[in-house]
Amino acid sequence: SQKIEQNSEALNIQEGKTATLTCNYTNYSPAYLQWYRQDPGRGPVFLLLIRENEKEKRKERLKVTFDTTLKQSLFHITASQPADSATYLCARQKNRDDKIIFGKGTRLHILP
Amino acid sequence: GAVVSQHPSRVICKSGTSVKIECRSLDFQATTMFWYRQFPKKSLMLMATSNEGSKATYEQGVEKDKFLINHASLTLSTLTVTSAHPEDSSFYICSATAPVSAKAEAFFGQGTRLTVV
Repeated sequence: SQKIEQNSEALNIQEGKTATLTCNYTNYSPAYLQWYRQDPGRGPVFLLLIRENEKEKRKERLKVTFDTTLKQSLFHITASQPADSATYLCARQKNRDDKIIFGKGTRLHILP
Repeated sequence: GAVVSQHPSRVICKSGTSVKIECRSLDFQATTMFWYRQFPKKSLMLMATSNEGSKATYEQGVEKDKFLINHASLTLSTLTVTSAHPEDSSFYICSATAPVSAKAEAFFGQGTRLTVV
């Protein structure tokens, strides 16, 4: 079965730098890869979605890439701020109405 | 954007009792909702897919008699934890995909922190 992996449990980045989080998947490419932010004690909040046939998506300071050769998605936050500190979850979805399966998440700490 | 509301946000119950958690889509109809469970500092684990008007689809290893799911209307799904035990203490979260959303993004409830004492 397909797995989705976020190998970095935690990441510390200096304020102002670009934070890059990695998400890898096994076997076949999911139709959708999604990135969510989760703050402690709250539900996840959707950030970006990238489709299998797309290479890159941007939204303000956020950028997501999808490399089907490496079986990897990268999530970038440019000009990072302490308020960006949270857990970021990568998730896969086979099609639009299918269940969403999450990776373990990466806790990002932006250091002032 | 679409809103999913979950209630209660926190509940403490005694061992052996049952607890019902509600998940409502406030401004859209959701034929499908999803229930997740999350342990501290761990990721969300999908428990089941709730289908309006039909039986829920449970993930492997999830006891359907223990976690009863009812999706009686297009805006409401409920999860009942029956005969709760301390090991059922967890953070339970529901989600739904708005049918008009072209993005396939999921909207999540704020979660329910269940503590069984």
